[in-house]
Amino acid sequence: KAGVTQTPRYLIKTRGQQVTLSCSPISGHRSVSWYQQTPGQGLQFLFEYFSETQRNKGNFPGRFSGRQFSNSRSEMNVSTLELGDSALYLCASSSLGRHEQYFGPGTRLTVT
Amino acid sequence: ELKVEQNPLFLSMQEGKNYTIYCNYSTTSDRLYWYRQDPGKSLESLFVLLSNGAVKQEGRLMASLDTKARLSTLHITAAVHDLSATYFCAVDAAAGGYQKVTFGTGTKLQVIP
Repeated sequence: KAGVTQTPRYLIKTRGQQVTLSCSPISGHRSVSWYQQTPGQGLQFLFEYFSETQRNKGNFPGRFSGRQFSNSRSEMNVSTLELGDSALYLCASSSLGRHEQYFGPGTRLTVT
Repeated sequence: ELKVEQNPLFLSMQEGKNYTIYCNYSTTSDRLYWYRQDPGKSLESLFVLLSNGAVKQEGRLMASLDTKARLSTLHITAAVHDLSATYFCAVDAAAGGYQKVTFGTGTKLQVIP
């Protein structure tokens, strides 16, 4: 079974721009969660999608948004990028709630 | 706000020794996860603990959960160099009307040959 894939793996953007990250879950998994990892704040939960609906969300500003498609693939969008958005963005998929999550390799975003 | 505290933050130990990493959390939850992260890599799921008293073992690692004490432990037996990594616990709990997973700060384990 193929694992969770994320594209792109690396991205450099300028302040004020927007960015879209993509995540393809393991086949059959309908839940996709997104996390941000930074040296200062650690791992923080962004949101979770299940069957195309946002089911849960963390404490991030509205600049961070996401969606999920009918094939369970998910995208995350960050608008008006700030330097502090530089991070490793991880997505994870699971089949039954969040009993066990499988993480993708991550997208490393650098904002200059 | 849910707080998840891990200690120690950094652990340097010799091969062959035993040690325990602690994960304390501040609210009711009966789902706790342990992950491993190697430098520059993503997270690998180690254990999912779903009930009070749950104990799981895989190789030299054993995890347990005490929901009444709001404590989970990750015990390392006879450490080997390959176990060097950062270990995270994460708690799944309700917060502000939503379910969210909150990670601990991580414990960076260095096993010295």
